[in-house]
Amino acid sequence: DTAVSQTPKYLVTQMGNDKSIKCEQNLGHDTMYWYKQDSKKFLKIMFSYNNKELIINETVPNRFSPKSPDKAHLNLHINSLELGDSAVYFCASSWTGTGANVLTFGAGSRLTVL
Amino acid sequence: GEDVEQSLFLSVREGDSSVINCTYTDSSSTYLYWYKQEPGAGLQLLTYIFSNMDMKQDQRLTVLLNKKDKHLSLRIADTQTGDSAIYFCAESSTGGGNKLTFGTGTQLKVEL
Repeated sequence: DTAVSQTPKYLVTQMGNDKSIKCEQNLGHDTMYWYKQDSKKFLKIMFSYNNKELIINETVPNRFSPKSPDKAHLNLHINSLELGDSAVYFCASSWTGTGANVLTFGAGSRLTVL
Repeated sequence: GEDVEQSLFLSVREGDSSVINCTYTDSSSTYLYWYKQEPGAGLQLLTYIFSNMDMKQDQRLTVLLNKKDKHLSLRIADTQTGDSAIYFCAESSTGGGNKLTFGTGTQLKVEL
């Protein structure tokens, strides 16, 4: 019973292509995130949605467009892929009441751009 | 902006204690977290501490927080080979839009 599931796990594609990564959570959380982990393992937040509303949009190229059709889903679409987009993309979710913001992460989607 | 730093590598012998250190710059941090990432997997929460506390213990894990120096540490007692992983500290703050800012990660290697 996977809590946060991402598909696909691996994605290999050519420069210039458009691709999407999907994420679903079954935890009843109200907030979902996309993080990017580069080859040096640095983790950086890209986007955050709370109840389908975009609340965090870090400095990310316009080629990246998140979409949240409902609270349980947050997809990431990337246009005109570049070599520098190669990374592992992690989806996460949390319940943002008062107190600690504990994120539950998916297993990651490794994107390789050739 | 927020900055969270960790040393990149730590090597210990099985059975010894490991201490992983973290420094942060955001004085409005409310919670600080430790996550573990095994190869090919996502991050798993190990523990977290409220910024008004200075210590938290959870089985083999001890978290120490020095808020004045903005220094956080994670001690793992009786380190096992299964503890080999990357350990990330993270912080969240009020007004941060619910985001966690992660440290650079420390690769822990446990040798026999």
